[in-house]
Amino acid sequence: DAKTTQPNSMESNEEEPVHLPCNHSTISGTDYIHWYRQLPSQGPEYVIHGLTSNVNNRMASLAIAEDRKSSTLILHRATLRDAAVYYCTRAGNNRKLIWGLGTSLAVNP
Amino acid sequence: DVKVTQSSRYLVKRTGEKVFLECVQDMDHENMFWYRQDPGLGLRLIYFSYDVKMKEKGDIPEGYSVSREKKERFSLILESASTNQTSMYLCASSSGQFPLLLSPSGANVLTFGAGSRLTVL
Repeated sequence: DAKTTQPNSMESNEEEPVHLPCNHSTISGTDYIHWYRQLPSQGPEYVIHGLTSNVNNRMASLAIAEDRKSSTLILHRATLRDAAVYYCTRAGNNRKLIWGLGTSLAVNP
Repeated sequence: DVKVTQSSRYLVKRTGEKVFLECVQDMDHENMFWYRQDPGLGLRLIYFSYDVKMKEKGDIPEGYSVSREKKERFSLILESASTNQTSMYLCASSSGQFPLLLSPSGANVLTFGAGSRLTVL
């Protein structure tokens, strides 16, 4: 199956790190991994993407397994505003993004 | 900032009505997309366009058509709305040549609109 696999939900406490896992075991060698998040009542927004190396930006870090079959989005210090559904995506056979069902992240104050 | 604007946040239509959902982007992006989002099913691609007057079917095109007469505007049309088309509709755009996700740059990143929630009675 080309879809990515993520846990349905996760919970974190404010100001603690959060590691959101994603399995994409059928990914091909040239496909980038993209992460998006969707805040309540909004469209998804881009978070980060990568190919093989770990990536950092102002929002998060992306750790990609050496075999590329999985990746982890890292929020270094969760805030209440990070409560959202996080989607890990990859290219499908027709080269368009394939979306999984995402992980709903709850952040406790 | 790139902006993708969807004309209506909420619509209520009757079965059999023709429905137009409009999407406009202001960053000269080549690619535009229409998705629908349903609980338990995630985001599913309806149609996309990689150039003016060009369109390609996504995963669930049945019951929908699209129009892209200008680069900045991509319209989704429900010729005869049905109750099973009640959903959240999301428009997105991106730069970069198709196919996507082959570029190391951020050019293939999707920018989404806020969504249009359609209810068909």
